[in-house]
Amino acid sequence: DTGVSQDPRHKITKRGQNVTFRCDPISEHNRLYWYRQTLGQGPEFLTYFQNEAQLEKSRLLSDRFSAERPKGSFSTLEIQRTEQGDSAMYLCASSWGQNEQFFGPGTRLTVL
Amino acid sequence: AQSVTQLDSQVPVFEEAPVELRCNYSSSVSVYLFWYVQYPNQGLQLLLKYLSGSTLVKGINGFEAEFNKSQTSFHLRKPSVHISDTAEYFCAVRDFSGNTPLVFGKGTRLSVIA
Repeated sequence: DTGVSQDPRHKITKRGQNVTFRCDPISEHNRLYWYRQTLGQGPEFLTYFQNEAQLEKSRLLSDRFSAERPKGSFSTLEIQRTEQGDSAMYLCASSWGQNEQFFGPGTRLTVL
Repeated sequence: AQSVTQLDSQVPVFEEAPVELRCNYSSSVSVYLFWYVQYPNQGLQLLLKYLSGSTLVKGINGFEAEFNKSQTSFHLRKPSVHISDTAEYFCAVRDFSGNTPLVFGKGTRLSVIA
């Protein structure tokens, strides 16, 4: 098992552009989480899926953000009309049920 | 709702010296507690966790933590640090139901000095 993978690792974009990130969880894990980490802060929860169902969304997830997990395997996080305040590390984690969450390496987004 | 306070944003310590990273939490329900480590440009790795049982929990890389319910604390300790322990350390909490996300503290930057 190669663990949780995220793509791309780095993304630089101009303000107003749309970006999409991908997360591939550990294959047997049914839960997948997205977190955002800004400089000097701990990760903050954005949303999570159990299989293909999106069970919870944070108020941090504005209407410019959307996440999907169409077949209960990989997930995508899209940010529309990016703003400079969206610059952060976006972390994905997966788990089997309530067990330990395993984190990916993250995607670092820079909005110019 | 839960919250986590990591009392020190930065902790410098000399190599082979002991270290304690402090964590206090707040919750109206019973919780599970975790410590994660993050090396530069990497994701988070679980160091140790407290679910139940013995309040002294041993983790990887020689770290241990003690759960103190009366003081709502979960401090992380290592008796002798190495240069390779230089990293960001995060304390996190989650309620017993498991259906809520992890809530993290702001992190403590441990810098080990040769």
